[in-house]
Amino acid sequence: DAKTTQPNSMESNEEEPVHLPCNHSTISGTDYIHWYRQLPSQGPEYVIHGLTSNVNNRMASLAIAEDRKSSTLILHRATLRDAAVYYCILRPPKPGSGNTGKLIFGQGTTLQVKP
Amino acid sequence: NAGVTQTPKFQVLKTGQSMTLQCAQDMNHNSMYWYRQDPGMGLRLIYYSASEGTTDKGEVPNGYNVSRLNKREFSLRLESAAPSQTSVYFCASSERTGGSSYNSPLHFGNGTRLTVT
Repeated sequence: DAKTTQPNSMESNEEEPVHLPCNHSTISGTDYIHWYRQLPSQGPEYVIHGLTSNVNNRMASLAIAEDRKSSTLILHRATLRDAAVYYCILRPPKPGSGNTGKLIFGQGTTLQVKP
Repeated sequence: NAGVTQTPKFQVLKTGQSMTLQCAQDMNHNSMYWYRQDPGMGLRLIYYSASEGTTDKGEVPNGYNVSRLNKREFSLRLESAAPSQTSVYFCASSERTGGSSYNSPLHFGNGTRLTVT
């Protein structure tokens, strides 16, 4: 399974944009890029995912580099409720050829939001 | 719509005791997963079930067994608990309706906090 690298922690001020980076230099052509976040004492929560094109939803935007070796999760206006651990994960599209289609979580980035 | 429900929320066991962690989802999802989370380790996959009737090992399956009882329920059993199994356990589910749907999001429960003394 291809690995991802994220900074251990980041800080942001409330109501400012936050850019959370993720490196995945060994990504395969068919791996999807998923982002989840985990608030304190809760299970992880899906944020967004994409393959090649940038993606937007109500929670965030995902910017994917042209070579797909890195991506950035963008929170447009951080709030105190966005303080969480953010996980960047690669997921094969379906089982086969040694892939299992399962999600492997890494260490994630702990985001602190200051008022 | 409760989503993914895990029971119990908290449990304390003595070394050598056995117990089963229960998980149920009401979203008609095909795939279900068990993860454990330890400080500084992120989440690690224990077992998963791609569809009813199938189960497969994840990264850290030793010391655990699973049962996919039906489409809704996926249980995790510790036959002889050890202190190394002290952790927070998360169950998750995802929809799987075709080849491209392995990218459907995972929905997680709120976890079972297990302490083995």
